[in-house]
Amino acid sequence: GAVVSQHPSWVICKSGTSVKIECRSLDFQATTMFWYRQFPKQSLMLMATSNEGSKATYEQGVEKDKFLINHASLTLSTLTVTSAHPEDSSFYICRASARGLAGRTDTQYFGPGTRLTVL
Amino acid sequence: QKEVEQNSGPLSVPEGAIASLNCTYSDRGSQSFFWYRQYSGKSPELIMSIYSNGDKEDGRFTAQLNKASQYVSLLIRDSQPSDSATYLCATRANNLFFGTGTRLTVIP
Repeated sequence: GAVVSQHPSWVICKSGTSVKIECRSLDFQATTMFWYRQFPKQSLMLMATSNEGSKATYEQGVEKDKFLINHASLTLSTLTVTSAHPEDSSFYICRASARGLAGRTDTQYFGPGTRLTVL
Repeated sequence: QKEVEQNSGPLSVPEGAIASLNCTYSDRGSQSFFWYRQYSGKSPELIMSIYSNGDKEDGRFTAQLNKASQYVSLLIRDSQPSDSATYLCATRANNLFFGTGTRLTVIP
């Protein structure tokens, strides 16, 4: 089946640094990538949606200058948390939506997630 | 009002029993409904999708949808300790909305 990978799986950084998270679709072309954030015991919250080659669309309340999303190819999207602070500590998960996957729903292609801890 | 509401639990059932998980949603335009299982520290895994009223069975799992009542449920028969996880309900009209999840513990 279709596989989505994320790297790194976890990262610890100091406050004020930037962290880049990669999301890759391994065997299909992901025309759209979704980025979610999940705080402990809370639901997945959609942060932004990115289409390959276009600027990302951010959800209300998500700072686009802080959470930089790049979707330069059909197999790779990156999320960069700039000037990270402890309140950015969370579980970040991507989801890939693919064109041409006949008979399969795109709602299942989640990456394994990245645990970010900002000290 | 939240788009998708679930009882956060925790819900505890003995091994072999039926676990019943419930979800209500607010957008009558929702067309697709999903149940995910999420183990601690892991990303969600899709276990059931349902699109029309009625029941849909897949192995030990049965999803039930009632659009008139805006209600979706998941039944897990013969519950196993490995079913212990958080179960997320999600609906889709234009966007995919997740509930906060119900924590299920199956007691051996």
